[in-house]
Amino acid sequence: SAVISQKPSRDICQRGTSLTIQCQVDSQVTMMFWYRQQPGQSLTLIATANQGSEATYESGFVIDKFPISRPNLTFSTLTVSNMSPEDSSIYLCSVEGSGLAGGVSYNEQFFGPGTRLTVL
Amino acid sequence: EDQVTQSPEALRLQEGESSSLNCSYTVSGLRGLFWYRQDPGKGPEFLFTLYSAGEEKEKERLKATLTKKESFLHITAPKPEDSATYLCAVQAWGSGNTGKLIFGQGTTLQVKP
Repeated sequence: SAVISQKPSRDICQRGTSLTIQCQVDSQVTMMFWYRQQPGQSLTLIATANQGSEATYESGFVIDKFPISRPNLTFSTLTVSNMSPEDSSIYLCSVEGSGLAGGVSYNEQFFGPGTRLTVL
Repeated sequence: EDQVTQSPEALRLQEGESSSLNCSYTVSGLRGLFWYRQDPGKGPEFLFTLYSAGEEKEKERLKATLTKKESFLHITAPKPEDSATYLCAVQAWGSGNTGKLIFGQGTTLQVKP
């Protein structure tokens, strides 16, 4: 399994400002994902970030609002830009681990602890 | 459209009272069905990935099973520390779907002593 850390763990921000969330993994991974979990809701994928290429955004999410960096195989950042109260959510990064173990293929996805964002 | 529905939304059990959580899904081609546990204020904790109908996996008091349309998470003799929200997610094959998890709304389990 992968150990994932996120910074900050929580923040309270004013509307119109931006916040950059960092995600650090203890091993090299190809694919990193950013999810959003709105209050009382389940998780929704924002974008997939592969090292060396542009992030791929899901429908309803745009690069101008959620720019992502992926400078190496262990680190990524998500920026929430020009924030409004509707952006108040938990933001989570995740990584996928897949391959062969004992001749059997496996596929797992691990999540970081999340960043709880409140926008006033 | 790929979709995941979990039931019930909430479940209250007495300690030792076994039960099951349901996850119904529709997906174009199943790469994997994932179960997570999420405690308040924390990120989801990975439990299992199931890949094909008939597969079963166990971890302590939890047992996950999979059919072509649904998955069950059986909880045997639960303890208060099993109280959490349990999330189900599917991952589909296809160039546009690689890695993406589609989550259900979750089942919040409360186990009373």
